[in-house]
Order: sequence, then structure tokens, then C-alpha cells
Amino acid sequence: AQSVTQLDSQVPVFEEAPVELRCNYSSSVSVYLFWYVQYPNQGLQLLLKYLSGSTLVESINGFEAEFNKSQTSFHLRKPSVHISDTAEYFCAVSGGYNKLIFGAGTRLAVHP
Amino acid sequence: EAGVAQSPRYKIIEKRQSVAFWCNPISGHATLYWYQQILGQGPKLLIQFQNNGVVDDSQLPKDRFSAERLKGVDSTLKIQPAKLEDSAVYLCASSSIKQGPGYTFGSGTRLTVV
Repeated sequence: AQSVTQLDSQVPVFEEAPVELRCNYSSSVSVYLFWYVQYPNQGLQLLLKYLSGSTLVESINGFEAEFNKSQTSFHLRKPSVHISDTAEYFCAVSGGYNKLIFGAGTRLAVHP
Repeated sequence: EAGVAQSPRYKIIEKRQSVAFWCNPISGHATLYWYQQILGQGPKLLIQFQNNGVVDDSQLPKDRFSAERLKGVDSTLKIQPAKLEDSAVYLCASSSIKQGPGYTFGSGTRLTVV
């Protein structure tokens, strides 16, 4: 069985500061890993994904995540956050049948 | 391309009433998913369809929830009778082999049971 643990339920940070949202997963098979973002009253949008190849993946808006197989982690980072990054972030793992298992989410609150 | 369409956006019902949600996936996406997202939790898969067949409904409370995708395109999720704990956002998503792993989500239906 697969599972995802997001270690922080809330992360407050000041604008232009760096941020890391932590995600650990467990799986007995090879996995694909995802980060989704959810803005208020909206559905989930794909931020970035790791399928294979380079362990560092990037999004178009400055986020990056690194797949660490030995630590079973897929932490999300951004060197300088903006007010507009305030949202809920979900880490997810996919094994068979393209079935996504989500973590409980991390609420990122960026303060001016 | 058009995204995943869901309706209604919001619904308020009394407990023991019935409710239905509709989802139209991205054109050509063979796989359709319904997720339940309770406030403060991550989305939980209720049911996964491949065309008009069910791949996984192990987490669907079958005594009160039902879902169908009769023609392999749009889908309906029904709750009858609703309980207070069914208050949640119901998300529909779709995917295709061509798209690769991962889904495209709709905006969801927020259900409040009072």
C-alpha cells in the first residue's frame, strides 16, 4: 500500500523568504510523484511531477522539488515566495492504474 | 482544450435528502475519477472509471453513494440519503494514456449537508 505524509499542516512565511514544504511517501513499488496546488474555491492544479530521469524537477513559477529515493522524500522548495503563492499544496504518489494517493496538504500563508 | 466541467459548484441540502453531481471530462480522456475532499484533509478517491467500466470503487460507501458513466463520457455521482459527514468538496478528474501519469481536475462541487 502507498501513503503520503506531509509533515507540516501550515507554513507561515514572509514575502521574498525561502520556503520548503516537506513530503515523505511510502511504497513497495516504483512511483511517480506530484505536487498539486489548490487556490481558494478552486480545483487542484498540477504544479510539477517526477516520473523518471533527473531527480530535480521545476515548475514554471519558480518552485522545484527533488526526488530522494533513499529518504523517500519529495520536498517542494521556492527560493523567494510571493503573496500570490498563498494556497494549499498537496503532495501525491501514483502507483498502479494511475491512481493518485494524496497527503493531507500544507497550507502556505505568505505574509507581507 | 476545454477543462473538466463540473456542476453544480455549490449545493446545500438537508440530511437524508438526495443529491447528484455531474462531471464532463476532457474530450478523449478514457479515465475518470471522483474524489472526496473533506475540509482540512487531502482528496480521497471514491471511484475510478476506465471508459464505462469501474476500475476501483473500494472506498465508495456503496450503501449511500453510487456513480455511473454509462456511455464512457460524462459521469454522475449520487448520494442517497445524505449524512452530515458527507459535507465536502467533490472533485472530478480525468486522464489519458497520451497525457501520461497525473490528472486534470475540475473545480469541484462544494456540498453542505445541514
